[in-house]
Formats: sequence, C-alpha cells, structure tokens
Amino acid sequence: NAGVMQNPRHLVRRRGQEARLRCSPMKGHSHVYWYRQLPEEGLKFMVYLQKENIIDESGMPKERFSAEFPKEGPSILRIQQVVRGDSAAYFCASSRAGGPHEQFFGPGTRLTVL
Amino acid sequence: GIQVEQSPPDLILQEGANSTLRCNFSDSVNNLQWFHQNPWGQLINLFYIPSGTKQNGRLSATTVATERYSLLYISSSQTTDSGVYFCAVPTGANSKLTFGKGITLSVRP
Repeated sequence: NAGVMQNPRHLVRRRGQEARLRCSPMKGHSHVYWYRQLPEEGLKFMVYLQKENIIDESGMPKERFSAEFPKEGPSILRIQQVVRGDSAAYFCASSRAGGPHEQFFGPGTRLTVL
Repeated sequence: GIQVEQSPPDLILQEGANSTLRCNFSDSVNNLQWFHQNPWGQLINLFYIPSGTKQNGRLSATTVATERYSLLYISSSQTTDSGVYFCAVPTGANSKLTFGKGITLSVRP
C-alpha cells in the first residue's frame, strides 16, 4: 500500500511568488492534517481537512495561507506572496477517521524562499 | 493547551548501548505517538500507544496514561537509529497533534 504522498519534495520560490504543496492521503484515509516545521522549532499544527471541508484552521497564519481538499484529487496547501519566513518543511498527515486515530506522515515538502 | 516535554534534549550513544527516552504530558490523553525523524527529514511512525507496552524489534514503548508519561526504549543501538525522536499527543476535538521539541540521538560507531 502506498503511504502518504507529497509533492514536490523540494520547492524553491522567490519572494512574492506563490507556492503550492500537494498531499495525497493513504488509500482509505479521508482526513488530512498539515503541519509545519520551522528551523529550530518543533512541528506545529496548521489545518485539518476532510473532503470538501475545512474542519479546523486554527494553526494557519491569517493571511496568505489557504488549504483545500477537493472531492477529487490531492489536498493543496497554498502560500501566496511567499516571504523568507515561510521557508520550512511542510508535512501532511492522514488518518482513517477523525478523533484519536493514528496519523501517518508524508515525506514532507521543503520550501526555500530566496 | 497541553504541554509536551521530552528529555533529555540530546543523547550521544556508542553503538550497541541501550537508552531510554522520556515524554511527559500535562493533561490526560487518549493516545500518544512516537516518531523518528531520520537525517533526511522524513517522519517515521514508531508507535501508536495510548497505554501499556508495545514492542517492535529493538524498540519498545510504554505509556502510563494515569501518570502522564511515556517511555521509548532503544536496545542495542545502531548508527541508523540516529536522528530526532518526537512524541506527540492529540489535543482538542479534532485530535490535532501537539509535538514535543524532540530528542536528538547520535549513535557513534
């Protein structure tokens, strides 16, 4: 069984550009979480989605960041007008259901903003 | 919110040695996960352990939920065990994970 897939694995953007990060959950999983790991910081929750619904976005910065999980296709984390402080590793996790179920993580996307 | 503390922050071992990594949490939880972040940055699931003890090869974990801690045991360590070990607990109605700051393990040949 394929695990959680993320692409691209590495992404380089110049300040002001847009970054799009994709996440395909494990087969049979319909719940997706996004986390960010900033340099010298731990992993922090950003957003939790189910198909076509944002359930909890309490960890998302108020501006420039958005996420979606359409009925068909991968979940997408979008960062508009990137700044150097957005440079980080972005991880997606999926679980079979909501609640206290095991979350499985993808390999991450490492975003570098020049 | 819930606080997750891991200790020690850094650990250096000689290959073949055993070690115990600790995770304390400030509130009751209904599950706990241990992860290994390898030198390439990937997060590997080690254990999903709400309570009790589980073993997987040279690794085992014990969670004592009533006393709010979990332990990860590594026996006969190998250089490939190097990396950062995180514990994480779900918080809130949507079970988003709160991570500890991690324990950096270096196993020397």
